[in-house]
Amino acid sequence: AQKVTQAQTEISVVEKEDVTLDCVYETRDTTYYLFWYKQPPSGELVFLIRRNSFDEQNEISGRYSWNFQKSTSSFNFTITASQVVDSAVYFCALSDFGVNQAGTALIFGKGTTLSVSS
Amino acid sequence: GAGVSQSPSNKVTEKGKDVELRCDPISGHTALYWYRQSLGQGLEFLIYFQGNSAPDKSGLPSDRFSAERTGGSVSTLTIQRTQQEDSAVYLCASSLWGQGNTGELFFGEGSRLTVL
Repeated sequence: AQKVTQAQTEISVVEKEDVTLDCVYETRDTTYYLFWYKQPPSGELVFLIRRNSFDEQNEISGRYSWNFQKSTSSFNFTITASQVVDSAVYFCALSDFGVNQAGTALIFGKGTTLSVSS
Repeated sequence: GAGVSQSPSNKVTEKGKDVELRCDPISGHTALYWYRQSLGQGLEFLIYFQGNSAPDKSGLPSDRFSAERTGGSVSTLTIQRTQQEDSAVYLCASSLWGQGNTGELFFGEGSRLTVL
């Protein structure tokens, strides 16, 4: 069965600190997708990244970077030089590759609440 | 509009009443999802529609919950005999898999349900 674990419930940092949000997943499938979403205080969910299981290259997008390691079933998210606007709940999610060549339902972790103070 | 639209945005009901929540996905999106988010909690998967395939109902918490998707587009989530523990924000999302698309889920703003 699929499972996503975000062990960090809440993290508090001061602006300009780097912060890493952990995500550990479980799946029996060899083909799957991993996602990160951001939910700011306004409530809407914002897509950040999708990574498929065959692509273990780390990715950097501005201050955001993602470290995908299949050996440890982890897909961690790092924010460099955090800013107050980064304060939000961050969700990691997993989808297996269905028989109809489409993803199955995304299973989300419980989220990590990041608070960045000035 | 171009995004996922949900209605009503807020619904207050009395325990025992039935409620219907509506979702209009992005036009052309083949996949539609319902999630539930209780206060301060994560997203709980409820049901998933993908094209003409049988829906994945594995997340529905009880037989009081059901959902339909008519014509491969609009979806309605129905909760019968509502209970106080049903109070939550119900989120709908749609996506387009395949053809090089990312499978990114686009979420609506949610329907906040309060059961008194």
